[in-house]
Amino acid sequence: EDQVTQSPEALRLQEGESSSLNCSYTVSGLRGLFWYRQDPGKGPEFLFTLYSAGEEKEKERLKATLTKKESFLHITAPKPEDSATYLCAAFLEGTSGSRLTFGEGTQLTVNP
Amino acid sequence: DGGITQSPKYLFRKEGQNVTLSCEQNLNHDAMYWYRQDPGQGLRLIYYSQIVNDFQKGDIAEGYSVSREKKESFPLTVTSAQKNPTAFYLCASSMYRGSGEKLFFGSGTQLSVL
Repeated sequence: EDQVTQSPEALRLQEGESSSLNCSYTVSGLRGLFWYRQDPGKGPEFLFTLYSAGEEKEKERLKATLTKKESFLHITAPKPEDSATYLCAAFLEGTSGSRLTFGEGTQLTVNP
Repeated sequence: DGGITQSPKYLFRKEGQNVTLSCEQNLNHDAMYWYRQDPGQGLRLIYYSQIVNDFQKGDIAEGYSVSREKKESFPLTVTSAQKNPTAFYLCASSMYRGSGEKLFFGSGTQLSVL
């Protein structure tokens, strides 16, 4: 069964304290790995798409990387406004068609 | 600005009642989706539509119904058959399904049971 697992479930950081969020997947036929940011009571907002192992993408304090088994979202010198839930999703194509599977999310809190 | 509009923001359902959640997009996207979000769980797909007048069940379609009479609109009805409807409902769209295109999400509707 295709699975996408995010860790940790929750992470508390001090402002400026860099860290990484993990998204591991056990899917076959991965065609893309998406990262979204979700603020409380709002819909997810797109951050990155990664398509192949070794690919990296950056946006401000965030950098996403992809290997054959997992993706990391690195947060460098975070600020309180980076507090949100971060979701990853694996897009795959198989014999039964295409499918997007979401992880449970990591709730990030950055304290000033 | 282009985007997806969901309404209402909050909705309360009484026992045995059907309620309808609205979703409108002006992005000219072909594909639209409904997801359910529960605390501690990943988004789960309820229904999706690739073109007007056609839609497909997702992973948790029981107790829900949809229609796609216009490209811009994809309303979701939560029927009385859905015994545990309390959740945050998200509507999304993409240029077309199956391409690996990113999803654009609305701001969500929180449904609660009275």
